[in-house]
Amino acid sequence: EPEVTQTPSHQVTQMGQEVILRCVPISNHLYFYWYRQILGQKVEFLVSFYNNEISEKSEIFDDQFSVERPDGSNFTLKIRSTKLEDSAMYFCASSERVVGTEAFFGQGTRLTVV
Amino acid sequence: QQQVKQSPQSLIVQKGGIPIINCAYENTAFDYFPWYQQFPGKGPALLIAIRPDVSEKKEGRFTISFNKSAKQFSLHIMDSQPGDSATYFCAASMRTSGSRLTFGEGTQLTVNP
Repeated sequence: EPEVTQTPSHQVTQMGQEVILRCVPISNHLYFYWYRQILGQKVEFLVSFYNNEISEKSEIFDDQFSVERPDGSNFTLKIRSTKLEDSAMYFCASSERVVGTEAFFGQGTRLTVV
Repeated sequence: QQQVKQSPQSLIVQKGGIPIINCAYENTAFDYFPWYQQFPGKGPALLIAIRPDVSEKKEGRFTISFNKSAKQFSLHIMDSQPGDSATYFCAASMRTSGSRLTFGEGTQLTVNP
């Protein structure tokens, strides 16, 4: 069964450092998303991406965040200068179409900022 | 307006019981209501979803009941099993914002043997 894969599974970084979280969406999917889940809290939308550009972003997705599809398979989330409050589980998701289709989630990257 | 409220926060039932998880929303523009199941260390996985033109949808042991006028929907798990122990999230999205999902707070379900 096709799946969304994320690397690394766990990343520890020092405050102020840049991190890049990587995702390989399902191959025929066209829409890509990043969500985050702070420990014990709900899953929150960060950004959606289609046709090589951001289609929507939340208020959480400020200037320290950026997304990129550097090649035909990878989808990355970059956090430029990490803060302690960026510690969370980050989920990548993809869907075949924008409406009415299931969004498949990866198993997440646990980011710990120390 | 964008929030989805979910209750209860946690739920413990015996095997064979019927746990019910409830969600409420305010934004009438929401038109897609999925439920996700999440096991520890895994990403959310779609369980079942409903659109507001139907009042109930059943898939296997999982049923969504939808009350459009009350802006509420709920998940029922029939004949619950210990393997159903997981965190369940309701969510909502609207056509005008693509598949952006607004999640509820989650319910940690424990099914005792």
